[in-house]
Amino acid sequence: DVKVTQSSRYLVKRTGEKVFLECVQDMDHENMFWYRQDPGLGLRLIYFSYDVKMKEKGDIPEGYSVSREKKERFSLILESASTNQTSMYLCASSSGDFGNTIYFGEGSWLTVV
Amino acid sequence: QKEVEQDPGPLSVPEGAIVSLNCTYSNSAFQYFMWYRQYSRKGPELLMYTYSSGNKEDGRFTAQVDKSSKYISLFIRDSQPSDSATYLCAMSSSPGAGSYQLTFGKGTKLSVIP
Repeated sequence: DVKVTQSSRYLVKRTGEKVFLECVQDMDHENMFWYRQDPGLGLRLIYFSYDVKMKEKGDIPEGYSVSREKKERFSLILESASTNQTSMYLCASSSGDFGNTIYFGEGSWLTVV
Repeated sequence: QKEVEQDPGPLSVPEGAIVSLNCTYSNSAFQYFMWYRQYSRKGPELLMYTYSSGNKEDGRFTAQVDKSSKYISLFIRDSQPSDSATYLCAMSSSPGAGSYQLTFGKGTKLSVIP
């Protein structure tokens, strides 16, 4: 089974703090994604990466950056956390092959106070 | 017009009922269609995957795609309380550069009452 692991399930951070969300996948997938999910807004793509050191902006990249130094690891960085970044963050990965099916992690619940 | 429309519900049904969940879409390039199930405070998990038009059955679940109407459905037979979750449809165009992204519906929240 594909496993996408998000190291932190629940975090509480202060406004202005730098926040790192880590994600590791064990299926040698080329593609990795970061989404946020909010009630009434659904899943929104923040960034994705189709190769090591490669990244592409998604629909809502403002206030976020990402890092992919190794194929299995994709990090989301909130440079200066704000209260409107309180959300559930989901990491996902896919092989990019037939069907483009992606597999999600369990999610990281971030509260910015 | 949004690319993918999905009724958010909530939808409440008695145990044993047949459930029908639906999505409509506007992009005729979509060829890959998926249904994800998401339990509360968990990540979405892939439930069903279909390519192009037609039906696919897996146990109590049937996924149906009608590309001519740009309409997809997920049917759940003999629904169980353990089916209570949010169901998200997702779709994408043909594989290739730039097509890695899925377009998701916003999800339908289902409750199956014992």
